Amino acid sequence: KAGVTQTPRYLIKTRGQQVTLSCSPISGHRSVSWYQQTPGQGLQFLFEYFSETQRNKGNFPGRFSGRQFSNSRSEMNVSTLELGDSALYLCASSLEGSGEKLFFGSGTQLSVL
Amino acid sequence: GENVGLHLPTLSVQEGDNSIINCAYSNSASDYFIWYKQESGKGPQFIIDIRSNMDKRQGQRVTVLLNKTVKHLSLQIAATQPGDSAVYFCAEVVKTSYDKVIFGPGTSLSVIP
Repeated sequence: KAGVTQTPRYLIKTRGQQVTLSCSPISGHRSVSWYQQTPGQGLQFLFEYFSETQRNKGNFPGRFSGRQFSNSRSEMNVSTLELGDSALYLCASSLEGSGEKLFFGSGTQLSVL
Repeated sequence: GENVGLHLPTLSVQEGDNSIINCAYSNSASDYFIWYKQESGKGPQFIIDIRSNMDKRQGQRVTVLLNKTVKHLSLQIAATQPGDSAVYFCAEVVKTSYDKVIFGPGTSLSVIP
């Protein structure tokens, strides 16, 4: 079984731009969660999608948004990028929800200049 | 953001010795706990989990101990190997109207050959 796939692996953007990150979950997994990871900050929860619906949301501004498609693939979008958005963005999938064991992708490393 | 865990950022262990990584959690309603290992350039990977109705669970070279009285979790790695060098995160799952996963700040384990 293929693991969680995130694209692109690396991104460099400038302040004010927007970015879209993609995540393909493990086949059969219906829940996709997104996390932001910065040095020393650990993993900060962004949101979770299940069956195309956002089921749970963390404490991030509205510039961060996401969606899930009928095939469970998910995208997250960050608009009006700020320097502080530089981070590793991780996607995790599970069968039914984030309360289970999560399977993480390798992440997208976003650098905002 | 929310975090679970004592702040123990780094741990250095001699190869062959046992490692103990500690974590404190804050929510008495948490009923499921997971340890993840994150190697450089990769997303976190599941190591072992434990339900709140258990005190101890063993895997291959790893043991998780749960002390609900003091809300403390530990991960023990036997005969630590260089491949164990990574950042280790504990996570608690809080059952509310939805499952809320709270990750600890992480502990960096370095194995000295």
